[in-house]
Amino acid sequence: NAGVTQTPKFQVLKTGQSMTLQCAQDMNHNSMYWYRQDPGMGLRLIYYSASEGTTDKGEVPNGYNVSRLNKREFSLRLESAAPSQTSVYFCASSGRGVGPWGTEAFFGQGTRLTVV
Amino acid sequence: AQKITQTQPGMFVQEKEAVTLDCTYDTSDQSYGLFWYKQPSSGEMIFLIYQGSYDEQNATEGRYSLNFQKARKSANLVISASQLGDSAMYFCAMSTFSNDYKLSFGAGTTVTVRA
Repeated sequence: NAGVTQTPKFQVLKTGQSMTLQCAQDMNHNSMYWYRQDPGMGLRLIYYSASEGTTDKGEVPNGYNVSRLNKREFSLRLESAAPSQTSVYFCASSGRGVGPWGTEAFFGQGTRLTVV
Repeated sequence: AQKITQTQPGMFVQEKEAVTLDCTYDTSDQSYGLFWYKQPSSGEMIFLIYQGSYDEQNATEGRYSLNFQKARKSANLVISASQLGDSAMYFCAMSTFSNDYKLSFGAGTTVTVRA
């Protein structure tokens, strides 16, 4: 089972360039997430999608856009990259939100993005 | 709003000993879940253990147990019989009903197991 697959694993961008991080899950999960991880700050939620066709802002959405293309795929786009967006990005999915009657979140391998 | 606090940035533990990682949380919700994840140096996020707010017994998974004290709003992770492979960053996380069960993370604790 592939679980959650995100691409690319590494990326270097110049300030002002754009890129899209791709994420796909094969677990038939409704909920998908994008997080960024910075040293000393844990993981912070960028955007969230509770189901196909819906998206919601998380804690740090500025500078990002998302698309829930279908139930499997949830992409994250940086329209004009800035050095402050240098981070490790994780995509995750879960069965029904994450809660007492939901599944835990399953994570992709992460994308290490550097903006110079 | 909900908040997760992990006050121990780094810890050292001797192999075969037990270690407790602290996690406190803040929420006004009655319905919530508490999770622990492990992140080794390779970077992947590995789910370890889960505790629901309505669960009366502490969760256990192999060498991992969650010491859930609801009144104190704490959900400490206990790793028994530490192994060298337990060296990693550990994150406490919470999901709440009012936040649509989105997962919020603490800053993490780095554990280093010494031989």
